[in-house]
Amino acid sequence: GQNIDQPTEMTATEGAIVQINCTYQTSGFNGLFWYQQHAGEAPTFLSYNVLDGLEEKGRFSSFLSRSKGYSYLLLKELQMKDSASYLCAAKDSNYQLIWGAGTKLIIKP
Amino acid sequence: ETGVTQTPRHLVMGMTNKKSLKCEQHLGHNAMYWYKQSAKKPLELMFVYSLEERVENNSVPSRFSPECPNSSHLFLHLHTLQPEDSALYLCASGSGTGTGANVLTFGAGSRLTVL
Repeated sequence: GQNIDQPTEMTATEGAIVQINCTYQTSGFNGLFWYQQHAGEAPTFLSYNVLDGLEEKGRFSSFLSRSKGYSYLLLKELQMKDSASYLCAAKDSNYQLIWGAGTKLIIKP
Repeated sequence: ETGVTQTPRHLVMGMTNKKSLKCEQHLGHNAMYWYKQSAKKPLELMFVYSLEERVENNSVPSRFSPECPNSSHLFLHLHTLQPEDSALYLCASGSGTGTGANVLTFGAGSRLTVL
């Protein structure tokens, strides 16, 4: 079956760096997405990777290794507003999105 | 108004009630989606409409009935629901259902509680 694994919850300190991992098993692969969802709000798009490597976007970076079925989201200089759930999703050979259950990130002062 | 708007934001209904969730997008997207989000579970795709035609129905019980009257509006009609249907229902829109990034824009969701 198809599956996305990511940690349920992580805690980090304001100003620090945190890496949220995501492993995927899909029938074919057509890209990997990261979304951010604050409590009670809509998920919002953060990044899309389809080729191996690191994509940097300000304080947030996303990495993909297709051979390992692995991605991570790296958040630098953490701010309290980064407290949210981070959703990983992979697109399979039928262009269907397979979602992980999300990682709740708690930022402490 | 821009983005994806969902109403109502909160809904409490009994198992014998009939209610509807509404979604509206003003982004010019041609695909619209209904997802179910339950705590600590992956998003579950329920329905997909592309160019106002239903292109996907993921074995959703018939007590959920979607309607897409035009490319900007999407409804989810609810009747004789069960307590296990209590969840956050998210609407999303996108520019296509195939190749490429096709980033989804989500609404804030309708929190449904079935008593």
